[in-house]
Amino acid sequence: AQTVTQSQPEMSVQEAETVTLSCTYDTSESDYYLFWYKQPPSRQMILVIRQEAYKQQNATENRFSVNFQKAAKSFSLKISDSQLGDAAMYFCARETSGSRLTFGEGTQLTVNP
Amino acid sequence: KAGVTQTPRYLIKTRGQQVTLSCSPISGHRSVSWYQQTPGQGLQFLFEYFSETQRNKGNFPGRFSGRQFSNSRSEMNVSTLELGDSALYLCASSLSVARVGGYTFGSGTRLTVV
Repeated sequence: AQTVTQSQPEMSVQEAETVTLSCTYDTSESDYYLFWYKQPPSRQMILVIRQEAYKQQNATENRFSVNFQKAAKSFSLKISDSQLGDAAMYFCARETSGSRLTFGEGTQLTVNP
Repeated sequence: KAGVTQTPRYLIKTRGQQVTLSCSPISGHRSVSWYQQTPGQGLQFLFEYFSETQRNKGNFPGRFSGRQFSNSRSEMNVSTLELGDSALYLCASSLSVARVGGYTFGSGTRLTVV
């Protein structure tokens, strides 16, 4: 099965510090997209960042950046200058052909003031 | 612009009943996908519709079905409800080529089967 694995069920970080969430995945495809989504208590899944597999350059969105290691099938999310509003469940996801997402188990991030 | 709208937000149904959930995508988005989220199984893909046709389907029993209308709004139906169907059901909309614009999710419908 082509899976996505998040090995950290919970993480915590101090406000203003940096935290990295890990994700590994399995795929037999050469062209695919990877995503990080955030799900706060409001339940809505919010897109944090997206990475195209054929691009070597790591994606960056303001305080959020990824470390994409294609050969290792690793896709970690770095949150810099953490804010209280970053507290949420974070899901790593891979898009397969056919417009479907396969999600990891999620990492619950706590931000301590 | 308006986001993805899912109705109702909460539902309580009795085992054996059927239920219909609705999803209105972002204007211009023609693809609608449905996901089931449970504590035990996580997020699982149910199906995807594009231009009123089911384009992709996950590994769920036939009790789970869906459809899409000409205005891209989508409904999913679960018949003969079981206790295990209790979950958060999320829908996501995207452009015709999802990877271009990504997926936008609604806030979900929380279904409780008693």
